[in-house]
Amino acid sequence: LAKTTQPISMDSYEGQEVNITCSHNNIATNDYITWYQQFPSQGPRFIIQGYKTKVTNEVASLFIPADRKSSTLSLPRVSLSDTAVYYCLVGDNNNAGNMLTFGGGTRLMVKP
Amino acid sequence: DGGITQSPKYLFRKEGQNVTLSCEQNLNHDAMYWYRQDPGQGLRLIYYSQIVNDFQKGDIAEGYSVSREKKESFPLTVTSAQKNPTAFYLCASSHIGGPVFTDTQYFGPGTRLTVL
Repeated sequence: LAKTTQPISMDSYEGQEVNITCSHNNIATNDYITWYQQFPSQGPRFIIQGYKTKVTNEVASLFIPADRKSSTLSLPRVSLSDTAVYYCLVGDNNNAGNMLTFGGGTRLMVKP
Repeated sequence: DGGITQSPKYLFRKEGQNVTLSCEQNLNHDAMYWYRQDPGQGLRLIYYSQIVNDFQKGDIAEGYSVSREKKESFPLTVTSAQKNPTAFYLCASSHIGGPVFTDTQYFGPGTRLTVL
């Protein structure tokens, strides 16, 4: 299974754009990249998923370079409510077992 | 209202007792998962099931047991053999397969288990 590496923590201020980069050097051809958000004492929540290039939805963008060995989650104009832990995962739904691995995540602190 | 429910939200047990955590989903998902989360840590996979009456061990299955008698339900039993059971337990479910990867895991609200 592809292992991911992300910064342990990041600080930002309200209104700024936040970019969280994840390294996944061993990503396999069939793997997708998925990001989750988790607030304290709650289950993680899906944010965005992509395979290559750029994906954008109503809450975030995901940038994936051609070699797919890393990805960057971009949160535009963060607010205090974006303070959470963000997890980067890679995995293949068609792989028997579907064992996605959650690492320690990145703790984002948004300050006023 | 579709989703995953876990009960109870908080659970206390005495050392040496078995306890069962409930997880139900009405999303018609094939796969269900149990994770454990310790303070300040990520999630670790305990067990998962891709189909009724079948389940597989995850990374930390020792001291836990599960059953999958119905598609909607995946209860987790924390046995007295689990050395450090105090933790936050999360259940999730997802669709499996298909031509396009869409493995979004949907999580329940979690159960916080404290062993006294």
